[in-house]
Amino acid sequence: AQSVAQPEDQVNVAEGNPLTVKCTYSVSGNPYLFWYVQYPNRGLQFLLKYITGDNLVKGSYGFEAEFNKSQTSFHLKKPSALVSDSALYFCAVRDYSGNTGKLIFGQGTTLQVKP
Amino acid sequence: SQTIHQWPATLVQPVGSPLSLECTVEGTSNPNLYWYRQAAGRGLQLLFYSVGIGQISSEVPQNLSASRPQDRQFILSSKKLLLSDSGFYLCAWRQEGSSYNSPLHFGNGTRLTVT
Repeated sequence: AQSVAQPEDQVNVAEGNPLTVKCTYSVSGNPYLFWYVQYPNRGLQFLLKYITGDNLVKGSYGFEAEFNKSQTSFHLKKPSALVSDSALYFCAVRDYSGNTGKLIFGQGTTLQVKP
Repeated sequence: SQTIHQWPATLVQPVGSPLSLECTVEGTSNPNLYWYRQAAGRGLQLLFYSVGIGQISSEVPQNLSASRPQDRQFILSSKKLLLSDSGFYLCAWRQEGSSYNSPLHFGNGTRLTVT
């Protein structure tokens, strides 16, 4: 069965510093991986996805993610954090079973960027 | 462009009362539709998904039900709410038949408090 893990409940960084939000995955086939961001009392916004090809994927708002097959990881990164990046971040993997197209989400990581 | 609408945004209901949450998608046809619940502001649990009118699949046994009376309408219901039904309910869609790399698109959610 497919699963994702986000080992950190919270990540704290100073504004202007680089940030990393970690995600590891477990899949039985090719991984289709996604990152979403959620602001308080809002739905999830799609940031980026990995399907195949380059291991470094670029997405919205200056975010990027690095796919590492040997470490089964898909960490979210940004070179310079903004206070406005403070939010809840979810990693997700596509579930292959039954062709439902559903996504399986990690537990989320709260990113706190301090001025 | 496609848009997804959820209402109401917030709802406070007494235990034992009925529930009806609505979700509609515009700008697409025959989407796959999903209901997720987010408890305590963290992980998301898939409750129901639908690949077509009248086709509903339940992921977990619970006090809730779902219906899809029209192509782009997805309704989450309960006959008698429980305290444990409190949470943030998110509707999502993806294009039917699209490849595994297509993301889910989420509505802004409904915060349900059962008192």
